[in-house]
Amino acid sequence: GAGVSQSPSNKVTEKGKDVELRCDPISGHTALYWYRQSLGQGLEFLIYFQGNSAPDKSGLPSDRFSAERTGGSVSTLTIQRTQQEDSAVYLCASSPQPRGALNEKLFFGSGTQLSVL
Amino acid sequence: AQTVTQSQPEMSVQEAETVTLSCTYDTSESNYYLFWYKQPPSRQMILVIRQEAYKQQNATENRFSVNFQKAAKSFSLKISDSQLGDTAMYFCAFMKGIGGSQGNLIFGKGTKLSVKP
Repeated sequence: GAGVSQSPSNKVTEKGKDVELRCDPISGHTALYWYRQSLGQGLEFLIYFQGNSAPDKSGLPSDRFSAERTGGSVSTLTIQRTQQEDSAVYLCASSPQPRGALNEKLFFGSGTQLSVL
Repeated sequence: AQTVTQSQPEMSVQEAETVTLSCTYDTSESNYYLFWYKQPPSRQMILVIRQEAYKQQNATENRFSVNFQKAAKSFSLKISDSQLGDTAMYFCAFMKGIGGSQGNLIFGKGTKLSVKP
C-alpha cells in the first residue's frame, strides 16, 4: 500500500495474555518508530529502529514489552502478560531519513487500539 | 527537562471562522523546534506546521499559522476559515535542536477541536 499499515486496527484481550501488534512501513523507509498513546495523552516514544537494529529502546516501559523488525521492513511489537494499564493506542511511524536528519519527515499509521479487560 | 502544556482540552468553532489553540512550553535549550500535529478520528498523526526557534518569522501553511513568542515560551496555532475537515485533536510538540528527532518529540496533552457547520 501507499501508507504505513498497522494491524489489527482494534484488539481486545484478557489480562495476562500476550499480544502482537504489526506495522508495515512504507516501502524503502529505513527508520521505524513505535509509540503509545494513552487516553487523553500525547504520544509516548517506545522504540526506534534503523534497518533491523534498534539503537534506542529507551521508551519501552517494562521487560514485558519487546519489538523486532525483520528484512528492514515489517515490525512487530509484543506485549507479554498484558495488564490493564497497557490499554492504549499503539502507533507506528516510518521515515525515509534516519533519526535526526534535517529533512526528517515521519509518516504515521492509524494505530492499533488495545483494550485489556 | 522540557514540558509542553496545552491548557484548552476542548474547543469549538463555527465553519469559516478563525480559532486559536494555545500552547506553552518550558525549556532551557536555546536551539529547538516546535510543531503542531493534527490527529483526526482516523488516528493518523499529520504534521500541520513546524517552527524553528532561531527564526523570528512566524511559520505559515495555507490556512494555518503560528504566533511564536520565544521570550514568553508561547506557540499558538491559528486556523483561519475553519473547515469541517479540521475537526481533530491537535497536539503541540517540542524537539531539541541538537540531538533531537521528530521521532522523539515531547507532546502536550492535546486540544480537541470541533468545527460546527
